[in-house]
Amino acid sequence: QSALTQPRSVSGSPGQSVTISCTGTSSDVGGYNYVSWYQQHPGKAPKLMIYDVSKRPSGVPDRFSGSKSGNTASLTISGLQAEDEADYYCCSYAGILLVFGGGTKLTVL
Amino acid sequence: EVQLVESGGGLVQPGGSLRLSCAASGFTFSSYWMSWVRQAPGKGLEWVANIKQDGSEKYYVDSVKGRFTISRDNAKNSLYLQMNSLRAEDTAVYYCARVRLRHYFDYWGQGTLVTVSS
Repeated sequence: QSALTQPRSVSGSPGQSVTISCTGTSSDVGGYNYVSWYQQHPGKAPKLMIYDVSKRPSGVPDRFSGSKSGNTASLTISGLQAEDEADYYCCSYAGILLVFGGGTKLTVL
Repeated sequence: EVQLVESGGGLVQPGGSLRLSCAASGFTFSSYWMSWVRQAPGKGLEWVANIKQDGSEKYYVDSVKGRFTISRDNAKNSLYLQMNSLRAEDTAVYYCARVRLRHYFDYWGQGTLVTVSS
């Protein structure tokens, strides 16, 4: 049950695109198409942004997209906006259990 | 509107016990898996436990097995987490979350803070 690996921080200017990676193993990320992503602003509860690798819940802007290759999943945010500045967490199904990444702080310059 | 409201957090001494509750509304509670997820101060999210719709299946992260028990009362639309033998490393905000298809969380509560300290 080791945490998935995410970069501690990423940054980008308004209007640019950024990608956050999430690396696991064949027992979690690589073994299932069940990766989800969560946005968390300071002092707030997490919010679902992507599920099943690349599906967006209703209400999430299409600037947010997800993908996966092998044991690594990615979240891409295009057309960065100030309100996108937050912590982002990936999560993967690992056969009954669930495992999160360590989180990535996105700074909008 | 889906709402999840946690309660029961507080300060407890190491070795002590605490019971968290989560009141659900705005959806058919008995139709969904439910989870507890925690976040230590300044740290990331950690999945703690899952429970099936009828309570017949329960799963835990290794670090809480044998100490924490997840349960639910569908008649009261409530989820619980009984925490025993608490340790300093259990200090965290505990979130209640609705689970979809057993592998992602679509709604979260606002969290309740548990502090384990002497």
